[in-house]
Amino acid sequence: EAQVTQNPRYLITVTGKKLTVTCSQNMNHEYMSWYRQDPGLGLRQIYYSMNVEVTDKGDVPEGYKVSRKEKRNFPLILESPSPNQTSLYFCASSLQGLDTQYFGPGTRLTVL
Amino acid sequence: QQQVKQSPQSLIVQKGGIPIINCAYENTAFDYFPWYQQFPGKGPALLIAIRPDVSEKKEGRFTISFNKSAKQFSLHIMDSQPGDSATYFCAARKGSNYKLTFGKGTLLTVNP
Repeated sequence: EAQVTQNPRYLITVTGKKLTVTCSQNMNHEYMSWYRQDPGLGLRQIYYSMNVEVTDKGDVPEGYKVSRKEKRNFPLILESPSPNQTSLYFCASSLQGLDTQYFGPGTRLTVL
Repeated sequence: QQQVKQSPQSLIVQKGGIPIINCAYENTAFDYFPWYQQFPGKGPALLIAIRPDVSEKKEGRFTISFNKSAKQFSLHIMDSQPGDSATYFCAARKGSNYKLTFGKGTLLTVNP
């Protein structure tokens, strides 16, 4: 089944404790992206990647890192999480940048 | 600066009604306007999309109306059903820039 998977789906952590949210797609998509969704703010793009080893900042990149060493994986790294990073995170992918984006199921992160 | 303004924030209709969700944009370089549907606990999924060379696009019960001169586009749901209850996001993208800019979302409730 073609899908975007994210792990973990739920995470509660404490300020400053490094964490990684994984994203994987099995559709051989070139383009991958991370969004955060907050009430009243909609979806905001954090980072995106047009292909392996090619990444760029979205609208709200501060406090996040990404890497794209393999085509199928695009992990989101929070080196020192803070409470304002408490949010619902979505990974998305598309065949190429201008194609339909397929979203993962989301990761709900709480930073205490 | 909010590039895509979506209204209303929430909408309640009776079964069979025709909810209308509106979006307005500022950037005339936008040339692709998708709508995403999101059910609770799920990631957004593409519902329907339009390009500015057409004024209307229909897929099943869902219709996008596009007014290029007013820089507005809207989603109409004909014969709405309780199963249409979800959050709807409009978005916009320009040219070869892969970034999608989302509206803040509309929570639609269709009562039986």
